[in-house]
Amino acid sequence: AQSVAQPEDQVNVAEGNPLTVKCTYSVSGNPYLFWYVQYPNRGLQFLLKYITGDNLVKGSYGFEAEFNKSQTSFHLKKPSALVSDSALYFCAVREAFGGGYNKLIFGAGTRLAVHP
Amino acid sequence: DSGVTQTPKHLITATGQRVTLRCSPRSGDLSVYWYQQSLDQGLQFLIQYYNGEERAKGNILERFSAQQFPDLHSELNLSSLELGDSALYFCASRSEGQGATGELFFGEGSRLTVL
Repeated sequence: AQSVAQPEDQVNVAEGNPLTVKCTYSVSGNPYLFWYVQYPNRGLQFLLKYITGDNLVKGSYGFEAEFNKSQTSFHLKKPSALVSDSALYFCAVREAFGGGYNKLIFGAGTRLAVHP
Repeated sequence: DSGVTQTPKHLITATGQRVTLRCSPRSGDLSVYWYQQSLDQGLQFLIQYYNGEERAKGNILERFSAQQFPDLHSELNLSSLELGDSALYFCASRSEGQGATGELFFGEGSRLTVL
């Protein structure tokens, strides 16, 4: 079965500093990887995805993620954090369940706190 | 705005009761997914429908059921509610057409509190 792991429950970073939120994956076959963000009392918002191609994927709100096959990682990054980036971040992997259908399996989430 | 609409946003009820959560997918999306988000279990996949037919079941309790109607809206029915059913219930949709790469679009969720 496919799975993702987010090893950090919380990441703290000062505003203006670079941020990294870690994600590792375990899949059979080619991975389809995703990052989502959840603000308080809101639904999950899609940030970016890796399907194939360049290992550096750019997404919404200035976020990017680096796919590393040898390390089975898909870390989320941003060069300069904003206080408004404070939220819960989820890494996800696509898992097929036959008939051409699939679902997303989510990690436990990492809470990002950006301090002024 | 993802285009996925969920009602109600908040619901408070008592143990043993039954509730229905409703979801309207994005225009044109045939697939609807239901997820449960709780503090101790994280985001758990419950069930998926495609064009009115159930396609996959995840960690969905027998007390829970769902359906997708001809107009593609979906309902999640939760019965004999227990305290542990208190959670955020999300609906998500996406296109399953050729070239679709799999991201889901989530609604704002329905927060269920069972007292």
